[in-house]
Amino acid sequence: GIQVEQSPPDLILQEGANSTLRCNFSDSVNNLQWFHQNPWGQLINLFYIPSGTKQNGRLSATTVATERYSLLYISSSQTTDSGVYFCAVTPSGSARQLTFGSGTQLTVLP
Amino acid sequence: DGGITQSPKYLFRKEGQNVTLSCEQNLNHDAMYWYRQDPGQGLRLIYYSQIVNDFQKGDIAEGYSVSREKKESFPLTVTSAQKNPTAFYLCASSTLGLEQYFGPGTRLTVT
Repeated sequence: GIQVEQSPPDLILQEGANSTLRCNFSDSVNNLQWFHQNPWGQLINLFYIPSGTKQNGRLSATTVATERYSLLYISSSQTTDSGVYFCAVTPSGSARQLTFGSGTQLTVLP
Repeated sequence: DGGITQSPKYLFRKEGQNVTLSCEQNLNHDAMYWYRQDPGQGLRLIYYSQIVNDFQKGDIAEGYSVSREKKESFPLTVTSAQKNPTAFYLCASSTLGLEQYFGPGTRLTVT
């Protein structure tokens, strides 16, 4: 099956810093989503981005489908950004379920 | 409010007992999904359903069963055959082929 690798696995930042999270996938996809899992376990949708670039406030994401990677940018980080960030994909031609990476644990220090 | 609800939030059971987790959505989505998350890991697909009265096994279906009698509901039963049932269970729904949305999850502990 498709492989999804996220890097780095852990990231510690000072409040106000910028960061880039990466997601590599091993096959072509027709769906790619970024999620933030908060300390209570809730998965919050950040971006639905099978290709192209999107921005939402301090967050933006870019997916280069032909090169099989996606990037999530967090600018001017805040302590509330802490948590686990997941990338998940649906392979092209599949039955539409998501395959998740193992996540990036982000800690933003005050 | 539109969304996905899961109940209960926490569930404790003795080994050998079956337990059913509830998932309801009022988003009018055709597809519904069940995922399992173990500590420090990503989510893995248990079962999914694209239409009422039809469902397919995911990557880790052994020891679980589901039903889809109504579009809004997709309950998951964790049977006594599941060897390591203690986990965080998340339900999701989507319009076919599009963005998935998740419920708040149920934490199951089996002792």
